[in-house]
Amino acid sequence: EDQVTQSPEALRLQEGESSSLNCSYTVSGLRGLFWYRQDPGKGPEFLFTLYSAGEEKEKERLKATLTKKESFLHITAPKPEDSATYLCAVQGGYGNTGKLIFGQGTTLQVKP
Amino acid sequence: EAGVAQSPRYKIIEKRQSVAFWCNPISGHATLYWYQQILGQGPKLLIQFQNNGVVDDSQLPKDRFSAERLKGVDSTLKIQPAKLEDSAVYLCASSSGSYNEQFFGPGTRLTVL
Repeated sequence: EDQVTQSPEALRLQEGESSSLNCSYTVSGLRGLFWYRQDPGKGPEFLFTLYSAGEEKEKERLKATLTKKESFLHITAPKPEDSATYLCAVQGGYGNTGKLIFGQGTTLQVKP
Repeated sequence: EAGVAQSPRYKIIEKRQSVAFWCNPISGHATLYWYQQILGQGPKLLIQFQNNGVVDDSQLPKDRFSAERLKGVDSTLKIQPAKLEDSAVYLCASSSGSYNEQFFGPGTRLTVL
């Protein structure tokens, strides 16, 4: 059964204090791993898609990396506006219709 | 480009009542999804449409939930009768293809009393 586990559940950082969020997954034939950002009261906002081990993508202070078992979302010198819940999701390949299996999310709080 | 639209944004009902949610996807997106997000959890797929056909409804509680996408554009999700455990945010998403990025609407927050 496809499964995604994110850690930590919550993370509090000081502004400028870099850190990483972890997403561990088991899936039958990974087609893609997705990172989303979700602000309170809003729907998830698409950030990145990673397709194969070794792939990296960057956007402003965020960098996502992928291995065969996990993905990391690195946040460099975060600002208070980076505070949000970050969701990781996998899309399986074999016989999968394209649905996303989400983790429970990591809630990040960045204090000024 | 307009995003995914959903209405209403909030709904409060008594248990055993019925409720319906509406979604208008991004123009041209053939694939439409309904997810349920319970507080503190990630979204869980309820049903996936490709144009106006159902692709996956394996996790839809069919005794009380129903959904349709009659003309391959807008979609409605209905719950009848609602239970306390249906309290959640119902998210609609769309994509240009089944394996492309999914873009989410703002969601409808349902409270069942």
